[in-house]
Amino acid sequence: AQSVTQPDIHITVSEGASLELRCNYSYGATPYLFWYVQSPGQGLQLLLKYFSGDTLVQGIKGFEAEFKRSQSSFNLRKPSVHWSDAAEYFCAVGGAENTDKLIFGTGTRLQVFP
Amino acid sequence: GAVVSQHPSWVICKSGTSVKIECRSLDFQATTMFWYRQFPKQSLMLMATSNEGSKATYEQGVEKDKFLINHASLTLSTLTVTSAHPEDSSFYICSAKTSGSSYEQYFGPGTRLTVT
Repeated sequence: AQSVTQPDIHITVSEGASLELRCNYSYGATPYLFWYVQSPGQGLQLLLKYFSGDTLVQGIKGFEAEFKRSQSSFNLRKPSVHWSDAAEYFCAVGGAENTDKLIFGTGTRLQVFP
Repeated sequence: GAVVSQHPSWVICKSGTSVKIECRSLDFQATTMFWYRQFPKQSLMLMATSNEGSKATYEQGVEKDKFLINHASLTLSTLTVTSAHPEDSSFYICSAKTSGSSYEQYFGPGTRLTVT
């Protein structure tokens, strides 16, 4: 069965430091991959997505992610974190079970210290 | 573009009553809408998938008689929690997609339900 793993439940970084959030997936075909961000009490906002083509994708708010098929990974990165980036981040894979469903990882909570 | 709204944003109801949550796609036609439930500090749990004009498809373990979903038009889906109990208290999030959006879903802001 398809699955998404986010190994880090909670990450703390200092403002201005670089960030990498890990995401690993289990999927038989070429996956449709997404990163969403959720601020407290809010819905989810799409940061970026990968369907095909260039394996390094750029998103909003200065985020990027790299698809590595050999590692079944789609890690999210940002070179310099801002305090406003503190939120919950979810990785998701689409097309699971030949449906329109998204399968979400368990999320990574990011704290940013000044 | 691709804005999804939910109403209400939060609701408090008494145990045994029913509450309806609306999900609207404001600037696009949503062929498919999804309803999720999220417990504090946890990921989203898909409850059901609904296609316009069709019966919703519920995930295993979700009581279809308790969580009534109606997708009456291409811009509106509703979730009715019937005979609510305190354990139904949660954050409910809807999302929507168009027919050609390659699995990308657009999410609403969520509805906080508290059952007393």
